[in-house]
Amino acid sequence: DAEITQSPRHKITETGRQVTLACHQTWNHNNMFWYRQDLGHGLRLIHYSYGVQDTNKGEVSDGYSVSRSNTEDLPLTLESAASSQTSVYFCASSDRSRPLYNEQFFGPGTRLTVL
Amino acid sequence: GQQLNQSPQSMFIQEGEDVSMNCTSSSIFNTWLWYKQDPGEGPVLLIALYKAGELTSNGRLTAQFGITRKDSFLNISASIPSDVGIYFCAGQRQTSYDKVIFGPGTSLSVIP
Repeated sequence: DAEITQSPRHKITETGRQVTLACHQTWNHNNMFWYRQDLGHGLRLIHYSYGVQDTNKGEVSDGYSVSRSNTEDLPLTLESAASSQTSVYFCASSDRSRPLYNEQFFGPGTRLTVL
Repeated sequence: GQQLNQSPQSMFIQEGEDVSMNCTSSSIFNTWLWYKQDPGEGPVLLIALYKAGELTSNGRLTAQFGITRKDSFLNISASIPSDVGIYFCAGQRQTSYDKVIFGPGTSLSVIP
């Protein structure tokens, strides 16, 4: 079955370190998104991509970067981790070719703790 | 910043009761989506709405796209313990192709 996976599921790192969170989907979706979830804020968009080589900044992109070298993967990199980036990170994808392309499908999440 | 408001923020109900929650915005939306998130999991899409006034059901869940295009409602009938979770609304604005904005969520607890 097609799916969307994230790794690692849990990560503890130190302030200043570079961290990369992986997202992999097997639906062949064009669109991929990264969100962070914090208490009281719901889901906030970090970066998104409409296809290979395309990346766009979302609402809370400072301190994060993404790259899209193939359809299946959109890794999220924290260049220099800060304690304010402690959060739960969700990856999502959607298919622009479907009539209901707004339907985003989410991965299981990565819980990141920055000490 | 936050552009969608959800109410109530949290609710505690008895098993078997009906539940109503809503999502409002000052902006007009093309699409309304309702998601449910179980603890430790990613959000799962429950219902998608694409036309003003549209009423759509998914089992015991019913959602409506408000006539003004600025709000949406979700009702759950005859609640059961597995309904526990956080319910998020999400909307796509006319000027925001493919992106959706999420509300802060309504936390539902069901007392057996």
